[in-house]
Amino acid sequence: GAVVSQHPSRVICKSGTSVKIECRSLDFQATTMFWYRQFPKQSLMLMATSNEGSKATYEQGVEKDKFLINHASLTLSTLTVTSAHPEDSSFYICSASDPGGTSEAFFGQGTRLTVV
Amino acid sequence: GEDVEQSLFLSVREGDSSVINCTYTDSSSTYLYWYKQEPGAGLQLLTYIFSNMDMKQDQRLTVLLNKKDKHLSLRIADTQTGDSAIYFCAESRTGGSYIPTFGRGTSLIVHP
Repeated sequence: GAVVSQHPSRVICKSGTSVKIECRSLDFQATTMFWYRQFPKQSLMLMATSNEGSKATYEQGVEKDKFLINHASLTLSTLTVTSAHPEDSSFYICSASDPGGTSEAFFGQGTRLTVV
Repeated sequence: GEDVEQSLFLSVREGDSSVINCTYTDSSSTYLYWYKQEPGAGLQLLTYIFSNMDMKQDQRLTVLLNKKDKHLSLRIADTQTGDSAIYFCAESRTGGSYIPTFGRGTSLIVHP
C-alpha cells in the first residue's frame, strides 16, 4: 500500500524555538495532506488541511500563525511549530490519501515533540 | 456527545477473543475503519468496511456493522500479546478529500 513518511520521529526543543516536521508521500502524489495532533489518551484532532499550491485550511481554534503549514510540492507538506512552548508538546501525525486509489488515508509514523 | 464513541479500555487473556465496540452518529457515513496504534507510532489501517456491508472478515479480524443502530465492532480471534495497542474507530463520507472522524481509541491490554 501507499506509504507516508514523517520526519523526525522525535524532537526535543527549547522553549521559544521553532520546529519543522516533514510529511512525505513516497509513492503517490497527494494534493491534500492532513495534520493531526494527539494528546495523551485522546483521539486524533484534525488541526489543518494542507493544500498543494494554496493556503492551508485550519480547524477552529488552531492558530495559523503558530502552526505554519507549507505544501510546496505534491509529495511534501511541512508543519512548523513556531515559538514553541511546553504546552505544544504533543504527538503530531500527518496523513494523505491517494486520489488515484481507494478512499483510504495513509498515516505517517508520527512525531513526538517535547518542548523543554 | 462525540461523533464517534468507544470504550477506553479492554483487557483480555491471551488466546481469548477481543471485541471492541464503536458507535457513530453520522448516518451518511460511507466508510468505517479500524486503525491500530502501537506505542509511540502512527496509525496502521487494519480493515475497513463499506456502509452497505454488514460483515467483513480478514484472517483473525471480523468487523460487524449494524447500520440501523450505527454500531461497529471489531473482533480479534485468538488474541495475542502483540495485539496490545490502541484501536481507533473512524468514519468518513465519500467525495473529495478524505477526512476521517476518529473515536478516542480503545486501549487493548492482553494478559499472558
